[in-house]
Amino acid sequence: TQLLEQSPQFLSIQEGENLTVYCNSSSVFSSLQWYRQEPGEGPVLLVTVVTGGEVKKLKRLTFQFGDARKDSSLHITAAQPGDTGLYLCAGGRNSGYALNFGKGTSLLVTP
Amino acid sequence: NAGVTQTPKFQVLKTGQSMTLQCAQDMNHEYMSWYRQDPGMGLRLIHYSVGAGITDQGEVPNGYNVSRSTTEDFPLRLLSAAPSQTSVYFCASNRVPYPTGELFFGEGSRLTVL
Repeated sequence: TQLLEQSPQFLSIQEGENLTVYCNSSSVFSSLQWYRQEPGEGPVLLVTVVTGGEVKKLKRLTFQFGDARKDSSLHITAAQPGDTGLYLCAGGRNSGYALNFGKGTSLLVTP
Repeated sequence: NAGVTQTPKFQVLKTGQSMTLQCAQDMNHEYMSWYRQDPGMGLRLIHYSVGAGITDQGEVPNGYNVSRSTTEDFPLRLLSAAPSQTSVYFCASNRVPYPTGELFFGEGSRLTVL
């Protein structure tokens, strides 16, 4: 059972374009995290959101946690080739240890 | 700082063979976990540990064994390898308890079972 659904699965854009990646669930999460993974490496944490409605900005990246804490989005402004990678959302719940990962969005930004 | 170190990076096994994937962290993190990553499946939790001597099963534990005798090391054992265990395996550690703790991942171990 995939608790976190990410869309789109693949995204290919040109440098300078804006994009939004979505992470949706029917379950409520205590927190949602976004990781970025580059080929041949492990995922690296970008941000953790814990409050419904929370918005966090990391340079050109804007993360939002839904009011009901069931979904999140990642918006990238003026994408650069260095943003290329696999973006994973991960949801945590207080019951148990299971950190559920979405299947990821593979982003390719071409010059 | 080395962070989380996994060995080997690549391994090819024949069906039925056993092996151990090593994971070591130098950050004195209490929490460690193993994930497997398959195309189109995301990361799935195999086993985790909340401290030395304490381990528990994750989402896909069958065919794998773990132990945690020290804070630093968390090896993953494949008892009798099967082609379905062909995957990329990631070890992770975190200092802050779940669900807000940041996971620090190793670079992965790519396993092929023939």
